[in-house]
Parts: sequence; C-alpha cells; structure tokens
Amino acid sequence: KQEVTQIPAALSVPEGENLVLNCSFTDSAIYNLQWFRQDPGKGLTSLLLIQSSQREQTSGRLNASLDKSSGRSTLYIAASQPGDSATYLCAGTYNFNKFYFGSGTKLNVKP
Amino acid sequence: NAGVTQTPKFQVLKTGQSMTLQCAQDMNHNSMYWYRQDPGMGLRLIYYSASEGTTDKGEVPNGYNVSRLNKREFSLRLESAAPSQTSVYFCASTRTGVNYGYTFGSGTRLTVV
Repeated sequence: KQEVTQIPAALSVPEGENLVLNCSFTDSAIYNLQWFRQDPGKGLTSLLLIQSSQREQTSGRLNASLDKSSGRSTLYIAASQPGDSATYLCAGTYNFNKFYFGSGTKLNVKP
Repeated sequence: NAGVTQTPKFQVLKTGQSMTLQCAQDMNHNSMYWYRQDPGMGLRLIYYSASEGTTDKGEVPNGYNVSRLNKREFSLRLESAAPSQTSVYFCASTRTGVNYGYTFGSGTRLTVV
C-alpha cells in the first residue's frame, strides 16, 4: 500500500518567515504529486501539481519540489503571511485513477 | 466556471436512514471520486469512476454505493446510515491521464445521530 506522510502535523511561525513543509512517500514510482490548501470548514484548493518528469513548480511565493529517488516533496513558502494560515495537504498518484493523501500540516502564521 | 458542485452542504441523519449525496462537474472530466475526511485519518477514497459507465471500490467502500449517472454526475448513496459514517464527504474530478491533478468540490458535512 502506498503511504504518504506529512511531518510535522502542525507548525507555527511568525509572519515574514520562510518555511518548508515536508511530504514523504514510500513508493518512488509516483506519477504526480499535488499540493493542496484547505481552510477550516472548506474544500481543497489546488496549489501546485508536479508531474513525474518535473522536479519543481512555482506559483508566486510558493515553490514545490519533487525528488522521486528520496521519496520526498517539499513546499516552500516565502515571506509567510497570516493569510497563509491553513492546512496543507500533499497527495501522490501511482496510476491516473487514484491519489493517496497525507494527513496534512496545519500552518499558523502569527502576525 | 462552477467546477465541482456538491449538494447538500450539510445534512443530519438518524441511524438507519438513507440519503444520496450529489456531485456534478462542468469541466468535461472523465474521472470522478468520492472521499471522506475524518480528523486524524486524512482523506480516504470511498469509490471512484475512471470513466462514464465504470465504478470501482476505493479504500473504504463498505456501507456506500455509487452511481455514475452520466459524464457530469457521480452520486454517493448511504443505504442505512451509521454513526461511523459521520464525516465530511468530498467529490473530486480529473481528466484522464497522468498529467492532471484533482479539482475538489466544497464538501458535504454529514452527521449521523
């Protein structure tokens, strides 16, 4: 069974800090890895999708990387803001039918 | 674009009651999915439909049935609700192929008492 793990489960940082969220997966034969943001009581918003042939993707202050050989993906958030406070989930797919989700990292950015 | 639309947004059921959760997407996606999200358990796949006319079990299918009504719509039915099915249910869709990610609906918060 493919497993996706996110550590830490929660993270609190002061505003303006650069931070890295981690995602690890057990099977290196991953096709895609997608990062999502979830606000309390809301659905999942897609942030970045990294295909297996890519090593990273960037959108604004966000940069996601994928290292299949080490089984890791990271989401880098530059110059964090209180509005970045949310739960961040990563999900990997090993065939195009199913994504496997991590449990998420709850981020709190303090003003 | 509406994206993925789920109805209802909230529902309270008594144990043993039945109900159907509706999901529709307007992005011409082939594949659709139902997940449940529970505290500490992350998102778990209940059922999915790779294309119109096909459905398959996911990780936690017991107690649920699904119908892929057409390319746009994928419903989830609870025949006899149990308190263990109290959860937030999410529908998602994607294009066929390995190069596309998920689009999620806003969820249905279900409580079974």
